[in-house]
Amino acid sequence: QLQLQESGPGLVKPSETLSLTCTVSGGSIRSSSYYWGWIRQPPGKGLEYIGSVYYSGNTYYNPSLKSRVTISVDTSKNQFSLKLSSVTAADTAVYYCARLATGSYYVYWGQGTLVTVSS
Amino acid sequence: QSVLTQPPSVSGAPGQRVTISCTGSSSNIGAGYDVHWYQQLPGTAPKLLIYGNSNRPSGVPDRFSGSKSGTSASLAITGLQAEDEADYYCQSYDSSLSASVFGGGTKLTVL
Repeated sequence: QLQLQESGPGLVKPSETLSLTCTVSGGSIRSSSYYWGWIRQPPGKGLEYIGSVYYSGNTYYNPSLKSRVTISVDTSKNQFSLKLSSVTAADTAVYYCARLATGSYYVYWGQGTLVTVSS
Repeated sequence: QSVLTQPPSVSGAPGQRVTISCTGSSSNIGAGYDVHWYQQLPGTAPKLLIYGNSNRPSGVPDRFSGSKSGTSASLAITGLQAEDEADYYCQSYDSSLSASVFGGGTKLTVL
């Protein structure tokens, strides 16, 4: 059974860079059929697509976040990562990593990790 | 403001049928992109409920069904049960944004 697990600091200061890693187990991140994505959910609000990455390193980003987002993949560790720069309180959210199926829907999700932006 | 519009809340009594709408535009649902639905119970990650407009993953009861027409899609839940109380989200792709998009979510209350 495929499992995804987010990890990283739960508290980030304003103007700094948020960094999270998603570790994939029970399957290879090098699978040719899937993209790997990040989605976030501010407290009490809806879901927002951040971006996605292929094992080759090809990426897609939400245009509203593109200038601040970098998503990368480390196939040797079966991990992919998210960096969001210049964070503000508006970036406070639960961050999920997930696997996109060929039809661009998400079957497997991590449990999510809350990142709070505060000084 | 979400690209896909959902009603903030719907409610129904146990055993009843409810529907949740998801309205898009010519750059997403109307352009032919598939709609997918997720159920999110409090404090948990979303769970895929419907994919490709009307397909149920293994393990999802047939009480849940999806449909799509024009620039809109709908999720129907029949035989409402207390355990169905959750937030529901639709998702599609938007060609003008070149990105995956979600609806704002609908909170289902079982009376």
